[in-house]
Amino acid sequence: DIQMTQSPSAMSASVGDRVTITCRASQGISNSLAWFQQKPGKVPKRLIYAASSLQSGVPSRFSGSGSGTEFTLTISSLQPEDSATYYCLQHSGYPRTFGQGTKVEIK
Amino acid sequence: EVQLVESGGGLVQPGGSLRLSCAASGFTVNTYYMNWVRQAPGKGLEWVSMIHTGGITYYADSLKGRFTISRDNSKNTVYLQMSSLRAEDTAVYYCARGDLLDWGLGTLVTVSS
Repeated sequence: DIQMTQSPSAMSASVGDRVTITCRASQGISNSLAWFQQKPGKVPKRLIYAASSLQSGVPSRFSGSGSGTEFTLTISSLQPEDSATYYCLQHSGYPRTFGQGTKVEIK
Repeated sequence: EVQLVESGGGLVQPGGSLRLSCAASGFTVNTYYMNWVRQAPGKGLEWVSMIHTGGITYYADSLKGRFTISRDNSKNTVYLQMSSLRAEDTAVYYCARGDLLDWGLGTLVTVSS
């Protein structure tokens, strides 16, 4: 199975800060990675697909990068509404696997 | 408009069985691969199972054959048959389409005596 190691598990940042979340795959997955945002009590929402493609309707301050085993989700200027938990998901092999999640809080 | 509506959750005793349904509208379930994803209370997302367009099925290793995914094209519905349920199966179960772009609202399964 492909393991996804996500870091950090939690973070606190100020409005306007640049935020970076990392996912590392236990083996190469090309660009078969997506990023999701989940707010409390809500359904997960896909932000990024194919590692770096922005989902339609998602603000441009979100971006994804990486290929192979290391991937990054960046929020260029953190906004209050970005307070949420973020997950990566590999869809290169079976079983699919999520990262452990990163809880982002606003200072 | 794509819509996924899960049902069938509830309270079940350990060792019991339950069948979840995911009724789809706005597309046909046999033209997309369909997933089940679960989330235990206060925990992260866990991928559970997928049924491919060709009918091939995949499962999380942790399920050890207790769960079975299937679909009924005539009802445009995907199912998750769960058996030998354990307390650790307590979670909200979501149905999701394709590469998890579209999700239902989920159905809560509670395994407790």
